[in-house]
Amino acid sequence: SQQGEEDPQALSIQEGENATMNCSYKTSINNLQWYRQNSGRGLVHLILIRSNEREKHSGRLRVTLDTSKKSSSLLITASRAADTASYFCATDPLISSGSARQLTFGSGTQLTVLP
Amino acid sequence: EAQVTQNPRYLITVTGKKLTVTCSQNMNHEYMSWYRQDPGLGLRQIYYSMNVEVTDKGDVPEGYKVSRKEKRNFPLILESPSPNQTSLYFCASSPLRDRSYGYTFGSGTRLTVV
Repeated sequence: SQQGEEDPQALSIQEGENATMNCSYKTSINNLQWYRQNSGRGLVHLILIRSNEREKHSGRLRVTLDTSKKSSSLLITASRAADTASYFCATDPLISSGSARQLTFGSGTQLTVLP
Repeated sequence: EAQVTQNPRYLITVTGKKLTVTCSQNMNHEYMSWYRQDPGLGLRQIYYSMNVEVTDKGDVPEGYKVSRKEKRNFPLILESPSPNQTSLYFCASSPLRDRSYGYTFGSGTRLTVV
């Protein structure tokens, strides 16, 4: 089942601009993760933000989390053509220890960075 | 290099001919999972495994089987493939208890059933 919903579904920007993608989810989470997928390839883990964190940075990536609104955003600064890919959020639910850890993936945002 | 290896990368088969897609990880992860990805439907979980000999159904298990006889391997079996199983398949693994890590995905298997 899908919990995370990304917005927008598609985003096209010029190289050098910033790209912002949003994710909304429904249930309580342990953490939220962002993944990147180049066309037809496997998903690559980008960044994880815990439920008690509000903001996290990794290189040109900035992730924010608002648990009261059940939403997250991924900002890619100074985008490059090589950033062209689909980006997915995934929620790691708040569950009891010993239970299966089941990420739920959103439907993704297709980012196109034009040179 | 820490990785999840899937084989084959591409596969074209005929309806009803049994096939197996292999998945192997070298990170000693307890948790492994299979997904299929279809346009407009996102990633849907087929089966998952929390450890050796422990498997369970995901959201779309019909028509699939799995086994987990060894910790590193988690093959996906299609006993009688049908055209609606044409899809892009991914295997993923992660630690079960340490939730500071994300999933590691394989490169995918593009399956076409004719």
